[in-house]
Amino acid sequence: QVQLQESGPGLVKPSETLSVKCTVSGGSISSHYWSWIRQPPGKGLEWIGYIDYSGTTNYNPSLKSRVTMSIDTSKNQFSLKLSSVTAADTAVYYCARDHKEVLPLGVYYFYGMDVWGQGTTVTVSS
Amino acid sequence: EIVMTQSPATLSVSPGERATLSCRASQGVRSNLAWYQQKPGQPPRLLIYGASTRATGIPARFSGSGSETEFTLTISSLQSEDFAVYYCQHYSIWPPGRAFGQGTRVEIK
Repeated sequence: QVQLQESGPGLVKPSETLSVKCTVSGGSISSHYWSWIRQPPGKGLEWIGYIDYSGTTNYNPSLKSRVTMSIDTSKNQFSLKLSSVTAADTAVYYCARDHKEVLPLGVYYFYGMDVWGQGTTVTVSS
Repeated sequence: EIVMTQSPATLSVSPGERATLSCRASQGVRSNLAWYQQKPGQPPRLLIYGASTRATGIPARFSGSGSETEFTLTISSLQSEDFAVYYCQHYSIWPPGRAFGQGTRVEIK
């Protein structure tokens, strides 16, 4: 049973860099994509981006200039950094397994984001 | 960039009734669409992927349909535990990306 657990600072000052980590247990990080999603208080879900075991990333264009994702396969962890934060970045940050399989002939098939962490709340305030 | 639009924003339904939720993509996404359920204080839960395939452990009263730009999530007979917010999400291989709709809240009538 794969489980994800986010860890973060809780409080970040405006203009600083937000850092959140996700630890994967019960399975290997060396397959699938691994996504970050956030949810501001009382609002909907926003996909931030994903990373795979090789370090290949894809970011939401609206956040791309401020986002950096990394992965540590030896620790089964992946991380998110969001720079120059403002109050608008206050949200619950979730990590999720973005389940993909590579079918014969190299075709990718996606099974959705099927495992989620409980989320970590990050507040941007001075 | 593909934009996902859900309707209605809020759906009021009595227990035992059918609920029909809509999701529209700004351009064709084939069947690359998932549905999620979220309850207060919890992370989202995957219901449907591939537009119509139920995820593991999801009851048969949940069904998805559609392709390209028009999708529907149907809950055939609402149970008390189904009152929640539902999100659609597209996923594309090329250009790579994902996007969520803004959500539909299903509330007790």
